[in-house]
Formats: sequence, structure tokens, C-alpha cells
Amino acid sequence: LAKTTQPISMDSYEGQEVNITCSHNNIATNDYITWYQQFPSQGPRFIIQGYKTKVTNEVASLFIPADRKSSTLSLPRVSLSDTAVYYCLVGWGGGYNKLIFGAGTRLAVHP
Amino acid sequence: NAGVTQTPKFQVLKTGQSMTLQCAQDMNHNSMYWYRQDPGMGLRLIYYSASEGTTDKGEVPNGYNVSRLNKREFSLRLESAAPSQTSVYFCASSARLGVEQFFGPGTRLTVL
Repeated sequence: LAKTTQPISMDSYEGQEVNITCSHNNIATNDYITWYQQFPSQGPRFIIQGYKTKVTNEVASLFIPADRKSSTLSLPRVSLSDTAVYYCLVGWGGGYNKLIFGAGTRLAVHP
Repeated sequence: NAGVTQTPKFQVLKTGQSMTLQCAQDMNHNSMYWYRQDPGMGLRLIYYSASEGTTDKGEVPNGYNVSRLNKREFSLRLESAAPSQTSVYFCASSARLGVEQFFGPGTRLTVL
């Protein structure tokens, strides 16, 4: 069971780069790593997904080392609107019912 | 496009009552999911449907049943509600299993 561990909370300031790391020691060979963002009273929103090495899109980068036992979500130049909870999700590697959301990281961005 | 819609938005039940949460998507997605989120916690998968006509248990299926009515609709039923089922319920859909999920706005359920 690919359980994930993330920091409970993080603080940052506008314009800084934020890196949130997720540990997933029991990741299966076919598992993907996905990150979601959630604002209060809303459903989660997809940010990025990767399998290995580095993935980049218009809002974030995802770094995955060779052993895939952890991953790091990088948010460049955060703004106040990036204040949210960020979830690391590991799964879909053949055991679909094992899709596990972590407890999430509460990111607070300050002026 | 409305995306993923859920009804009702809020519901209060008494212990032992039953109800069905409705979910519909207009993105022609094959896969649909039901999650629950307890206060201050992450999401837990209740049931999912890989494609029309199939349903499978997730992490916490006890006390729930689901129906994939057609490709658009996926309902969640509580046969005999318990206070432990007080939670926010999210429905989601994706083009296929494992890819980006799109979430609905949620249903806040309180069981007294």
C-alpha cells in the first residue's frame, strides 16, 4: 500500500519558490504520482502528474528521483492565491482501490 | 460545460435514514469516483467506476452502495446512515483510470 507522507504545513512569501516534498516508500512499479490543489469548500484541482525524472507544465514542476520513493512539487514565484492545501497522490499501478490521498500540506503565502 | 455536478449541496439526516447522492458529468469521461473528506483530512476513495457498467470498491466502501446509471451518472447510496458518515462527499470523473480527475463541488452531509 503506497502510503504518502507530506509536511503538515508550510509558510512562504509572495514571489518565492515553494518546494513541497512527498514520501512514498512503498510506491509500486506502475504507480504514477499526482498532485492536486484544494481551496476551502471546493473540490481538488489537478496540478501535475509524473512517473519519473522531471515534469513541467505552466503552473508547476514535479521532480522524481530515480528510486521514486519521494517526489517534490515546485511552485515558482507563489502569490497569495496559491494559499491552499496540496495533496500528493500515488496509485493506479494495477491496484486501483489502493489510490491514496495523503493528509495534504497546508501552504500559507504571506504578503 | 458544467463539468461535474453534484446534488444536493447540503443534507442533514437522522441515524438510520437512507439517501442517494447524485453525480453527473458532461465531459464524456469513462471513469467516475466517489470520495469522502472528513474535517481536516485528506480524501478517501469510497467506490469507483472504471467504465460504464463496472464498479469497484475503494478504500472505505462499507456502508455505501453505488450505481453507474449510464456514462454520465454515478450515484452513491447510504442505506442506513450513521453519524460516522458525516463528511463532505466529492464526486470526480476522468477520461480513463489514472489520469487527471475533475471534481465536483461536493455534498456536505451531516448525520445526527
